[in-house]
Amino acid sequence: DAGVTQSPTHLIKTRGQQVTLRCSPKSGHDTVSWYQQALGQGPQFIFQYYEEEERQRGNFPDRFSGHQFPNYSSELNVNALLLGDSALYLCASSLGFGGQSNQPQHFGDGTRLSIL
Amino acid sequence: DAKTTQPPSMDCAEGRAANLPCNHSTISGNEYVYWYRQIHSQGPQYIIHGLKNNETNEMASLIITEDRKSSTLILPHATLRDTAVYYCIVRVASGGSNYKLTFGKGTLLTVNP
Repeated sequence: DAGVTQSPTHLIKTRGQQVTLRCSPKSGHDTVSWYQQALGQGPQFIFQYYEEEERQRGNFPDRFSGHQFPNYSSELNVNALLLGDSALYLCASSLGFGGQSNQPQHFGDGTRLSIL
Repeated sequence: DAKTTQPPSMDCAEGRAANLPCNHSTISGNEYVYWYRQIHSQGPQYIIHGLKNNETNEMASLIITEDRKSSTLILPHATLRDTAVYYCIVRVASGGSNYKLTFGKGTLLTVNP
């Protein structure tokens, strides 16, 4: 039973570029959440997708956008990259809305994004 | 979500029980306590969660005080592979929504040989 998978594992970009990160949820999960983790800090919530719609959003600018596909996989897009966007980007999946609300989120191992 | 307070670091001898405390004095009645850990360069790993009763699984035990204002994660026989940052998170789990997780800085547990 595959867990949450993310690609790529590492990525190097320059300021001003755009990046797309990908996530496949754990089998049976329908909700995907994205988190940003700066060095030495805990993960910070970016947004969550369910039924191909953004359901919750954290305190991140519009440069951060996402998408969820019919097979529940998801993408995180970041435009106009800044040096401060360098971080580990984590995807978490869960069985979401309706009846299973206390079930835990399960995380992938992330994409390490470095901005030069 | 309620704020949690954890010690920044703890040490434990290999083979001994590791008891990690967490204070969540402003917890609400519909908020669960979740524990995750993060080993260097990996994503957070779910350990256990509970509402008000003590919980046990193959990884750990979770003890929640009767007033629910604090909890303790117990690793019964710590190994070197248990060295990680442990996060205690309180999260609303009602209304049919799977709410976001709010992470603090966690506790760095170092298991020594």
